[in-house]
Amino acid sequence: DAKTTQPPSMDCAEGRAANLPCNHSTISGNEYVYWYRQIHSQGPQYIIHGLKNNETNEMASLIITEDRKSSTLILPHATLRDTAVYYCIVRVFGETSGSRLTFGEGTQLTVNP
Amino acid sequence: NAGVTQTPKFQVLKTGQSMTLQCAQDMNHEYMSWYRQDPGMGLRLIHYSVGAGITDQGEVPNGYNVSRSTTEDFPLRLLSAAPSQTSVYFCASSYSTAGGGDTQYFGPGTRLTVL
Repeated sequence: DAKTTQPPSMDCAEGRAANLPCNHSTISGNEYVYWYRQIHSQGPQYIIHGLKNNETNEMASLIITEDRKSSTLILPHATLRDTAVYYCIVRVFGETSGSRLTFGEGTQLTVNP
Repeated sequence: NAGVTQTPKFQVLKTGQSMTLQCAQDMNHEYMSWYRQDPGMGLRLIHYSVGAGITDQGEVPNGYNVSRSTTEDFPLRLLSAAPSQTSVYFCASSYSTAGGGDTQYFGPGTRLTVL
């Protein structure tokens, strides 16, 4: 799985958009970009994933650059409950690799009132 | 659906004791995994399974055994507990999505202390 680089911490004002960057310059063509978050002491929560195209769901948007070497997770209207550690993970998914995830350090997002 | 359930929530063991952490999912997911998370660190993969009867080692498998006799259950066995195994243990299950890739669901965790 390709290595990812994320800033260790970020702050965001409540109600504003939170833009979390991730660099994955060694990503290969069949690797997906995944985002998970972990709110203190809880199990990680899946947010979104994508291969090439930008993706949006009810939680967030994922913007992947054309060369796929970086991506940005966007929380459009951050709330205090979005304070968590956000993990960007790049990996191949397949019948033999299953659901393996390699977690890095992540970004601690703090949403301030 | 109950999702991914883990029991017990908390456990204290003495060095050398053995025990089994239970994990069950009712979503008919093919893929299941066990992770451990030490204080202030990210999750590390212990073992994983791509289907009933198929398991493989992850990043930190030593001291742990798994089996997958049914789709629903994926128990993690500690053979002889050591203080270094004090951690929070998370179980996860996932399914492949129509657009490619997968979506993982995590359980609430088991907090284990080995004295």
